[in-house]
Amino acid sequence: GNSVTQMEGPVTLSEEAFLTINCTYTATGYPSLFWYVQYPGEGLQLLLKATKADDKGSNKGFEATYRKETTSFHLEKGSVQVSDSAVYFCALLQGGSEKLVFGKGTKLTVNP
Amino acid sequence: EAEVAQSPRYKITEKSQAVAFWCDPISGHATLYWYRQILGQGPELLVQFQDESVVDDSQLPKDRFSAERLKGVDSTLKIQPAELGDSAMYLCASSPQFGGGAPDTQYFGPGTRLTVL
Repeated sequence: GNSVTQMEGPVTLSEEAFLTINCTYTATGYPSLFWYVQYPGEGLQLLLKATKADDKGSNKGFEATYRKETTSFHLEKGSVQVSDSAVYFCALLQGGSEKLVFGKGTKLTVNP
Repeated sequence: EAEVAQSPRYKITEKSQAVAFWCDPISGHATLYWYRQILGQGPELLVQFQDESVVDDSQLPKDRFSAERLKGVDSTLKIQPAELGDSAMYLCASSPQFGGGAPDTQYFGPGTRLTVL
């Protein structure tokens, strides 16, 4: 079946540090890939997405590239801020389905 | 900006009691989802509605969970009786259309955090 594996957290960084959160997936065919963010006490918000191989999703300084050869969709940001502290979820959507499959989430804490 | 509304935000109940959660999707959204998020894990789909019809409830524990969306607008998720293992965050999401709608248009509510004692 389809699955998503994220690097285990928590991740703690200093402000302005470089961020990478690894995500790999298992799926048949060509899924769409997503990163969602969950701030404390809130629901999930879509951060970025990519729908085909080599696509790069970007938003708010975050980027992720759909790598079919390595089945990966790693999240990166060049300079994190305290306000980026949240839990980040990688997810996939199999073609023809409306069912999102999520990873377990990675908690990021950014210290001033 | 329109949002998905959920209530209550927090619920504490005792084992074997009945609980109910309410969700009001963004106006005009035909598809509604209920997810369960256990602490430290990602959300898992429980049930999906297209208008008032259930599209997918394969992961819904039907011996104790039920969901309805009678008029194709708001929805209620019920647990009876609640068990200790049901403690989790219950998230509702909605999207504008089914079967052709962009998958990124699932908008999530703030969730209901359930604690079963």
